[in-house]
Amino acid sequence: QKEVEQNSGPLSVPEGAIASLNCTYSDRGSQSFFWYRQYSGKSPELIMSIYSNGDKEDGRFTAQLNKASQYVSLLIRDSQPSDSATYLCAVNIANDMRFGAGTRLTVKP
Amino acid sequence: DGGITQSPKYLFRKEGQNVTLSCEQNLNHDAMYWYRQDPGQGLRLIYYSQIVNDFQKGDIAEGYSVSREKKESFPLTVTSAQKNPTAFYLCASSSYGTTDTQYFGPGTRLTVL
Repeated sequence: QKEVEQNSGPLSVPEGAIASLNCTYSDRGSQSFFWYRQYSGKSPELIMSIYSNGDKEDGRFTAQLNKASQYVSLLIRDSQPSDSATYLCAVNIANDMRFGAGTRLTVKP
Repeated sequence: DGGITQSPKYLFRKEGQNVTLSCEQNLNHDAMYWYRQDPGQGLRLIYYSQIVNDFQKGDIAEGYSVSREKKESFPLTVTSAQKNPTAFYLCASSSYGTTDTQYFGPGTRLTVL
């Protein structure tokens, strides 16, 4: 089992829809969780961090964490073509940061 | 502006050459990292440093070397021992340790000719 798993996609949603990106992780003791956005040919940029169970909202983005299920998700409301990118999930596992392979999202106008 | 800079943006290496990638940060962060990213794959940790004059190997350190003589700088050398160095190299930093939020530089794309 990979330490951090994401569906590679591509995930395609129409403009204005909600995009839902999922991530599972292997370590029940993990405490820190991060979502990064990476445009093609560019470096990852931080979208959100989440540390407690439940939802955390920032603008059109909502991160959801369920430690019992070892699951973290990112919802993007009112998706825009500019949201088309690869989204990386990162989880703190045993004092290391582990990254998923990313989910490629395409928002169609 | 505070941030992380990497140079060069593009780098071409001939077989048997060593090349050095630069990474500088002015965020006053203690920890710095080097990752390698291959197409369609996640980030793999090469080396990291949590304090000046100290660094640790990551998952794929073979064929790479680093130094941390200054807090602001963490250069990566890709040696001729690295058999498949063509990749996108990302430098990151965090305020303190490996569990803290990491911020990335713009990356260096290395191609072996």
